[in-house]
Amino acid sequence: SQTIHQWPATLVQPVGSPLSLECTVEGTSNPNLYWYRQAAGRGLQLLFYSVGIGQISSEVPQNLSASRPQDRQFILSSKKLLLSDSGFYLCAWSPAPGAGNQPQHFGDGTRLSIL
Amino acid sequence: AQSVAQPEDQVNVAEGNPLTVKCTYSVSGNPYLFWYVQYPNRGLQFLLKYITGDNLVKGSYGFEAEFNKSQTSFHLKKPSALVSDSALYFCAVRDPNTNAGKSTFGDGTTLTVKP
Repeated sequence: SQTIHQWPATLVQPVGSPLSLECTVEGTSNPNLYWYRQAAGRGLQLLFYSVGIGQISSEVPQNLSASRPQDRQFILSSKKLLLSDSGFYLCAWSPAPGAGNQPQHFGDGTRLSIL
Repeated sequence: AQSVAQPEDQVNVAEGNPLTVKCTYSVSGNPYLFWYVQYPNRGLQFLLKYITGDNLVKGSYGFEAEFNKSQTSFHLKKPSALVSDSALYFCAVRDPNTNAGKSTFGDGTTLTVKP
């Protein structure tokens, strides 16, 4: 069966510090991968998605970047965090195109607090 | 473009009563529709989906949803609510013709079931 892992679960960082959040998927190949941010327990904002290694699409201009160095690894990064980067970050995967009627599967998220 | 609306931020029901969480959508073609549930400090969990066929779809934990094309709605229902159903519920829509299987999520509805 497929599983998705996200870490860390919580993170407290000072303003101006760097960030690296990691997400890995097991039990599937060539998944689509997504990073979302959820503010205050409400709606999801899609930040990045990837359809393959090294292929990243950004949905909104921001202080963050994403990378996909391996097929099942998705990393969210920042060089200098802003207060506005606080939030709950969720990673998700879905089967590659061809099975587009499948749901997305989410990790348990990282709660990021910027001080 | 695709969009989804959840008109109620909060739904309160008594345990044992039926519940409905509303969702309307907008998409250019035939939609793929999904419901997810989120418990505190967790990722979203898939409940059910409508792709094609029978307008009434059944999912996990006794939930069901009815697709209504003329009203562009996909309301989530359960005949008898449990206190443990209290959570944040998200409706999502996907245009089958979009790249990377991107879904658009509603802002969420908080369901509270009181004993």
